[in-house]
Amino acid sequence: GNSVTQMEGPVTLSEEAFLTINCTYTATGYPSLFWYVQYPGEGLQLLLKATKADDKGSNKGFEATYRKETTSFHLEKGSVQVSDSAVYFCALRKYGNKLVFGAGTILRVKS
Amino acid sequence: DAGITQSPRHKVTETGTPVTLRCHQTENHRYMYWYRQDPGHGLRLIHYSYGVKDTDKGEVSDGYSVSRSKTEDFLLTLESATSSQTSVYFCAISADASGKFDTGELFFGEGSRLTVL
Repeated sequence: GNSVTQMEGPVTLSEEAFLTINCTYTATGYPSLFWYVQYPGEGLQLLLKATKADDKGSNKGFEATYRKETTSFHLEKGSVQVSDSAVYFCALRKYGNKLVFGAGTILRVKS
Repeated sequence: DAGITQSPRHKVTETGTPVTLRCHQTENHRYMYWYRQDPGHGLRLIHYSYGVKDTDKGEVSDGYSVSRSKTEDFLLTLESATSSQTSVYFCAISADASGKFDTGELFFGEGSRLTVL
């Protein structure tokens, strides 16, 4: 079946550090891939997405590239801020609008 | 912000009692979903709806039922709550899943925290 695996957290970084959160997926065919972010006390919101191989999604300084050969969609940011502290979820969509989510990665950024 | 309201936002109940969570949207979106969020599991789909009176099961539907009698409301019912249903429940909505208008984006409510003692 379809599944998403994320690196375990929490990830703790100092402000301005480089961020990578790994995400790999298992699915037949070519799913669409997403990163959602959940700030404390809130629901999830879409951060970025990619719909086909080699697409790069980007938003708010975050980037992720759809790598079919490694079935990965790693999230990166060159310089994190305290305000980036949140839970990050990788997700895939195979058909319809049903998303399959990973377990989430907690990011903590210290000033 | 997407117009999604969940109620109640917090509830404490006892094992064996019925519980209903309500999701109300003002976006006129066709698709509505109920997810539960638990540590180590991320979000798991309980039930979803693709139109009025059209619903289907997700991956963790046992012990839950849903109803959608109007486009704007999607109700999640726990007929007899158990401690394993202690969780944070999120409602989500999305527009039509087809064609050029399909962004794939889900919009989430703020969540309902349920504690079953």
